[in-house]
Amino acid sequence: AQSVAQPEDQVNVAEGNPLTVKCTYSVSGNPYLFWYVQYPNRGLQFLLKYITGDNLVKGSYGFEAEFNKSQTSFHLKKPSALVSDSALYFCAVSPLMDTGRRALTFGSGTRLQVQP
Amino acid sequence: DVKVTQSSRYLVKRTGEKVFLECVQDMDHENMFWYRQDPGLGLRLIYFSYDVKMKEKGDIPEGYSVSREKKERFSLILESASTNQTSMYLCASNLPRDRRYGYTFGSGTRLTVV
Repeated sequence: AQSVAQPEDQVNVAEGNPLTVKCTYSVSGNPYLFWYVQYPNRGLQFLLKYITGDNLVKGSYGFEAEFNKSQTSFHLKKPSALVSDSALYFCAVSPLMDTGRRALTFGSGTRLQVQP
Repeated sequence: DVKVTQSSRYLVKRTGEKVFLECVQDMDHENMFWYRQDPGLGLRLIYFSYDVKMKEKGDIPEGYSVSREKKERFSLILESASTNQTSMYLCASNLPRDRRYGYTFGSGTRLTVV
């Protein structure tokens, strides 16, 4: 069975500082990995994905994520945080080779709070 | 852009009522999903459907059923609502043959059962 762990319920960072939101995963075979963001009272919005290739993936709003196969991690990063980045972030995983009939498994979410 | 529309943003229902949550997508996606979101638990899969009239149980199907009579519409049914079903419900869809783009989510329905 696949699983995702987001070890931090909340991450606090000052505006302008770099941020990291952690994610580790467990899945059979090679993974599809995703990050989504949720703003208050909204659905989830796609940020970025890893399928194959370069371990550093760039996404929306200046975010990037680093895939580390040996550590089974997919941490979300941004060089300089903005107050508007404050939101709830979810990591998700799905096996790479399946029939398309298995749904994404999500982590518990990490609330990012950027202080001015 | 693909749109996934959930018919209600907020619902308040009484214990024991039968509740219907509706979801419609406009891009001919084959897969549709219902998740519930609770603080500290993230998103948990209730049911999903990969074709009309087809459905598969997710991780927490108890107390729920689904209906997919048309490709664009996926309904979640709470047969007899209970207070522990108070939650945010999120619908999503995708194309299985193009899973590079993840899911498209609706804005969610916040259900309160009193």
